[in-house]
Amino acid sequence: NAGVTQTPKFQVLKTGQSMTLQCAQDMNHEYMSWYRQDPGMGLRLIHYSVGAGITDQGEVPNGYNVSRSTTEDFPLRLLSAAPSQTSVYFCASSVSAGKNEQYFGPGTRLTVT
Amino acid sequence: GQQVMQIPQYQHVQEGEDFTTYCNSSTTLSNIQWYKQRPGGHPVFLIQLVKSGEVKKQKRLTFQFGEAKKNSSLHITATQTTDVGTYFCAGKAAGNKLTFGGGTRVLVKP
Repeated sequence: NAGVTQTPKFQVLKTGQSMTLQCAQDMNHEYMSWYRQDPGMGLRLIHYSVGAGITDQGEVPNGYNVSRSTTEDFPLRLLSAAPSQTSVYFCASSVSAGKNEQYFGPGTRLTVT
Repeated sequence: GQQVMQIPQYQHVQEGEDFTTYCNSSTTLSNIQWYKQRPGGHPVFLIQLVKSGEVKKQKRLTFQFGEAKKNSSLHITATQTTDVGTYFCAGKAAGNKLTFGGGTRVLVKP
């Protein structure tokens, strides 16, 4: 099992550019989520999904879109990058929402200039 | 919305000493989880507490869930350099969201 994988590991964007952060898991988990972590800060929930075809907003959803067409994949799209979106992005998966341990991917370090 | 706060934000500990970090929620939780993140790494699950007043131990780590299920604590005895990192609590109230606290960053002085 590869667990939770994320690509790319590093990314630099210019303001206004768009991109998609990829996340995949091979554990057949129903619940997947995206967090951002700013320097010295905790994890803030961006979007989450309780299963294929179902997504919902977290604490800080503005500027991000998600989709869940398969159980395995949960990409995060930045629509028009802004410097405030400079952060480390973690994808996580678990068997169910909040009742089981979450497995985190290695993260994507994004810088927006 | 639900808020989860952790104190202290930073903990400088002499190697061999004990310390405790605290987690407080603005709402009653159905469960609470603890994670550890090493510098430059990703969060790794440590434990989950579900029952009111529950206490669980993992070697030198003791986790406790409050009677009212609104707070939790992590106590580490005889701190080692391997304990360096940030410890996060994450609480689940109603619904499908897990809310993370801001974390306690632990630095160990040898």
